[in-house]
Amino acid sequence: QVHLQESGPGLVKPSQTLSLTCTVSGGSVSRGGYYWNWIRQFPGKGLEWIGYIFYSGSTHYDPSLKSRITISLDPSKDQFSLNLNSVTAADTAVYYCARGNGSALDFWGQGTLVTVSS
Amino acid sequence: SYELTQPPSVSVSPGQTATISCSGKELGDKYVCWFQQKPGQSPVMVIYQDTKRPSGIPVRFSGSNSGNTATLTISGTQAMDEADYYCQAWDRSAYVFGTGTKVTVL
Repeated sequence: QVHLQESGPGLVKPSQTLSLTCTVSGGSVSRGGYYWNWIRQFPGKGLEWIGYIFYSGSTHYDPSLKSRITISLDPSKDQFSLNLNSVTAADTAVYYCARGNGSALDFWGQGTLVTVSS
Repeated sequence: SYELTQPPSVSVSPGQTATISCSGKELGDKYVCWFQQKPGQSPVMVIYQDTKRPSGIPVRFSGSNSGNTATLTISGTQAMDEADYYCQAWDRSAYVFGTGTKVTVL
């Protein structure tokens, strides 16, 4: 069974960079065929896909966020990370990491709330 | 960008059938997943590849997909099925979520 766990600061100041890490256990991020995703959910709202990194290192981001985000992979630690820069209060959300298995997001982390506030 | 539209809410009596629709252009040509999300919890996949149930998901959950509409059906709905439900598809190398439906079991 694959398990994903998000970690990172729960509070980020406006204009700074939000940095989160997802640690994967029960599976390797360098195993072929999987997409390692970040998804967020604004308070009381629906799910918003942010982007992914493929096991090979190639990335694909939501166009509306593309200029502000970087997703990277660390196979040595079975981790992948999200950096979202120039944050505002509008980026306050629960951030999830999830594994993409083809067209399906089959395993998710528990989510972590990130609040942007001074 | 690709859009998936769901009804905001569906109400169902215990033991009855709940039907949740998900509409998108030529959605029948794509694989659809469905997720259940309860308050304070992360989403759980209940259907993948239109009709398949992951291990551990009750048989009362079923899915279909044709034309422009995918459907999640909950047969014999139980109180524990009260949750938000999201459809999801894969379009041009991106994951797309539906707008979400709140299912209330009255």
